[in-house]
Amino acid sequence: GAVVSQHPSWVICKSGTSVKIECRSLDFQATTMFWYRQFPKQSLMLMATSNEGSKATYEQGVEKDKFLINHASLTLSTLTVTSAHPEDSSFYICSATVLGGTQPQHFGDGTRLSIL
Amino acid sequence: RKEVEQDPGPFNVPEGATVAFNCTYSNSASQSFFWYRQDCRKEPKLLMSVYSSGNEDGRFTAQLNRASQYISLLIRDSKLSDSATYLCVVNTGFQKLVFGTGTRLLVSP
Repeated sequence: GAVVSQHPSWVICKSGTSVKIECRSLDFQATTMFWYRQFPKQSLMLMATSNEGSKATYEQGVEKDKFLINHASLTLSTLTVTSAHPEDSSFYICSATVLGGTQPQHFGDGTRLSIL
Repeated sequence: RKEVEQDPGPFNVPEGATVAFNCTYSNSASQSFFWYRQDCRKEPKLLMSVYSSGNEDGRFTAQLNRASQYISLLIRDSKLSDSATYLCVVNTGFQKLVFGTGTRLLVSP
C-alpha cells in the first residue's frame, strides 16, 4: 500500500528556532501533499495544500511567511516553521495523494513539535 | 456550524457489544466520505470509504445518506483493540479533506 514517511517524529527546541519537517511518499509519486496541524483534543486542521513545482495554497489564518512549504519533487515536501514560539507547539501531519485519483489521502506518522 | 460534526463521546462499551457512530456534514457538494481511526498521539489511518449503497468490511459497516447529509459507522462484536478515536472525514473537492473532531470509543473487558 501507499506509504508516507514523515521526519522527524518528535522535536523539542527553544523559542526562536526554525524547524524543518520532511514528508516523503515512498512508493508513489504525490502530485499533491497536504499539511495539517492538530492541537490536543481538537480535529485535524488543514494548513496548506502543496502542489509539486508550484507555490503552496494556504488556508485562511495560516501565515505563509511563518510556515514555509516547499514541494520540489514528486516525492518530497517540506514544512519549515520559522522562528517557532510555544504557541506553535502542536502535532503536524502531512498527507499525500495523486491529484485526480480516487484513492483517499495517506498520512505520514506525524511530527510532535514542542517549543520551550 | 461546523462543517463536520460528531458526538465526541466517549462511548464506553463492553467487549462484544455493537456500537454506532453518527456524523453530519454541512456542504451538500461534498464528494467523498471516509472513516479514519486515530490512536492516541498517532496519525489517522483509513478505516473505510463510505458509499451511498452502504459498505461492509468485516465487523465494520458504513452508510451514507446524501439527502440527510449523514454518515454512520457500525462496529459489531467490539474488541479491546477497537478502542480509539474515530474520525468522520469529508472530501469537499480537489482532495480537500475536512475532519470531524472525532468520537472516542473505549472498549472494556
